[in-house]
Amino acid sequence: DQQVKQNSPSLSVQEGRISILNCDYTNSMFDYFLWYKKYPAEGPTFLISISSIKDKNEDGRFTVFLNKSAKHLSLHIVPSQPGDSAVYFCAASETSGSRLTFGEGTQLTVNP
Amino acid sequence: DVKVTQSSRYLVKRTGEKVFLECVQDMDHENMFWYRQDPGLGLRLIYFSYDVKMKEKGDIPEGYSVSREKKERFSLILESASTNQTSMYLCASSLWGRGDSPLHFGNGTRLTVT
Repeated sequence: DQQVKQNSPSLSVQEGRISILNCDYTNSMFDYFLWYKKYPAEGPTFLISISSIKDKNEDGRFTVFLNKSAKHLSLHIVPSQPGDSAVYFCAASETSGSRLTFGEGTQLTVNP
Repeated sequence: DVKVTQSSRYLVKRTGEKVFLECVQDMDHENMFWYRQDPGLGLRLIYFSYDVKMKEKGDIPEGYSVSREKKERFSLILESASTNQTSMYLCASSLWGRGDSPLHFGNGTRLTVT
């Protein structure tokens, strides 16, 4: 079963606007969440993370929100830039564990 | 900066061949991982290793094996390649064996099995 789901395979936004990428999870044991960005022909790179003891973490233009009761997290990019165009993967883990479970990915396209 | 190097960017192999995918990391990380990426399925964990000569099965280990003889090197082996193993293979390493230790990925090996 897919424990981490990204229901939108793609998202297209205009430069300067907000991009919101969503992720849902089913395993209540997950307590650490990460977002990775992947450009074509490159490996994924770590973007931002959040622990379950928080509901928001911000790093520059990137903010991750966590709603534990809904088992939902989202990544906000403000303002979006063409260089943000990439596939974004949501991932979850148990802090005490050693493995990440990834979602299917969302292709973000930011149009100039 | 952590560097994870995968020996081949592209490989084409025939059905039934034994295939070796090599991965080297230069930051003395304890943990190393092999994932495959397929459209619509995201990244799925094949095997991981938290120490030399140690290995753990991931979510899809069937048809694969691994070897970790040295800390910096983690090899993925396809014992008898099949067409359903055509995929992008990604190696990763992390400092700690904990879920809050970010993974550092290589650039991937695109394997085609014909």
